[in-house]
Amino acid sequence: AQSVTQLGSHVSVSEGALVLLRCNYSSSVPPYLFWYVQYPNQGLQLLLKYTSAATLVKGINGFEAEFKKSETSFHLTKPSAHMSDAAEYFCAVSAPGSSASKIIFGSGTRLSIRP
Amino acid sequence: DTEVTQTPKHLVMGMTNKKSLKCEQHMGHRAMYWYKQKAKKPPELMFVYSYEKLSINESVPSRFSPECPNSSLLNLHLHALQPEDSALYLCASSQEGTIIFETQYFGPGTRLLVL
Repeated sequence: AQSVTQLGSHVSVSEGALVLLRCNYSSSVPPYLFWYVQYPNQGLQLLLKYTSAATLVKGINGFEAEFKKSETSFHLTKPSAHMSDAAEYFCAVSAPGSSASKIIFGSGTRLSIRP
Repeated sequence: DTEVTQTPKHLVMGMTNKKSLKCEQHMGHRAMYWYKQKAKKPPELMFVYSYEKLSINESVPSRFSPECPNSSLLNLHLHALQPEDSALYLCASSQEGTIIFETQYFGPGTRLLVL
């Protein structure tokens, strides 16, 4: 069965510093992976997704993620944090074999930005 | 227009009440989803409709009853809920509902409190 593990329930960085949010996946087949962001009191928004076309995936708001099969990882990075990046971030994996599009979310990482 | 709307934003109901949550999208998507999200937890899939047919029911109690009157509209009928059903209910939509790396577009959610 497919699953994702997010390391660190809370990450705090200074404004302008590198953001690194960690995600490791477990999948018996090539996975499709996603990063979603949830701002306070809002729904989720897709940041980026990996569909095997390229291992380095660029997303919105300056975020990118690199798929590393050897490490079973899909970490999310941003070179310079902005106050507006404070939110909850979810890594997710698709579940092939189901009758419909189904994604499974990791437990989430709350990102805080220090001024 | 990439917006999914949900009404109401907030709902308080007693355990004997009957209420409904409404979700609407005008992106021409043929798949719609209901998720339940408890505080500080990831969203959990409840139901998936694809082409107006229920394709996934994640063993949700019968006190939750989904309805998809047409491809733009999704309802969730609530009856005899329990306090532990208090949560944020998120609606999402996607293009087809059968492609495993489809992007899901989320609404802002309905925050439900059961007294």
